[in-house]
Amino acid sequence: AQKVTQAQTEISVVEKEDVTLDCVYETRDTTYYLFWYKQPPSGELVFLIRRNSFDEQNEISGRYSWNFQKSTSSFNFTITASQVVDSAVYFCALSEAPGANSKLTFGKGITLSVRP
Amino acid sequence: DAGVIQSPRHEVTEMGQEVTLRCKPISGHDYLFWYRQTMMRGLELLIYFNNNVPIDDSGMPEDRFSAKMPNASFSTLKIQPSEPRDSAVYFCASSPGNTIYFGEGSWLTVV
Repeated sequence: AQKVTQAQTEISVVEKEDVTLDCVYETRDTTYYLFWYKQPPSGELVFLIRRNSFDEQNEISGRYSWNFQKSTSSFNFTITASQVVDSAVYFCALSEAPGANSKLTFGKGITLSVRP
Repeated sequence: DAGVIQSPRHEVTEMGQEVTLRCKPISGHDYLFWYRQTMMRGLELLIYFNNNVPIDDSGMPEDRFSAKMPNASFSTLKIQPSEPRDSAVYFCASSPGNTIYFGEGSWLTVV
């Protein structure tokens, strides 16, 4: 069975601080996909990144970066120089092979508050 | 490009009434999903379709829930009769084959 654990439930930082959101997953599949989604106060779910299990390269997109470590089954998300607009709930999710279109298993989400 | 479009955005209904939520997926996407979000259970998959055919409906809570996809550009999720415990945000999502994109959600309150 698949499982995604986001142990942090709420994080509060001051603007310009760096913050890392942790995600640990469990799966028996050798091929799988990992995702991060952002849910701002307005409620929509915004796709941030997809990573497949064969690609352990870290990724950077502006102030966002992701660290995928198969050895520890983790897919952590770092926001550098956080801004108030980063305040949202962030979800990590996992889907199994054969493709990313199978069932997404979500973590419980991390509520990030960035204070001015 | 238009994203996944859901309607209504907000619905308040009385217990026992029928509720119909609508979804227009992104054009060209072969997969369509219905998810439900509650405080207690988080985000959970209700059902998903591939090429208009239901593939996995194991998440549908009970017979009061039904979903249809009569064509590639439209899907409905129906609750009949509705109950207060159905109050949640219902998300429709679609995918072209790799990444799932979500609509803005339908916020349902059953009183």
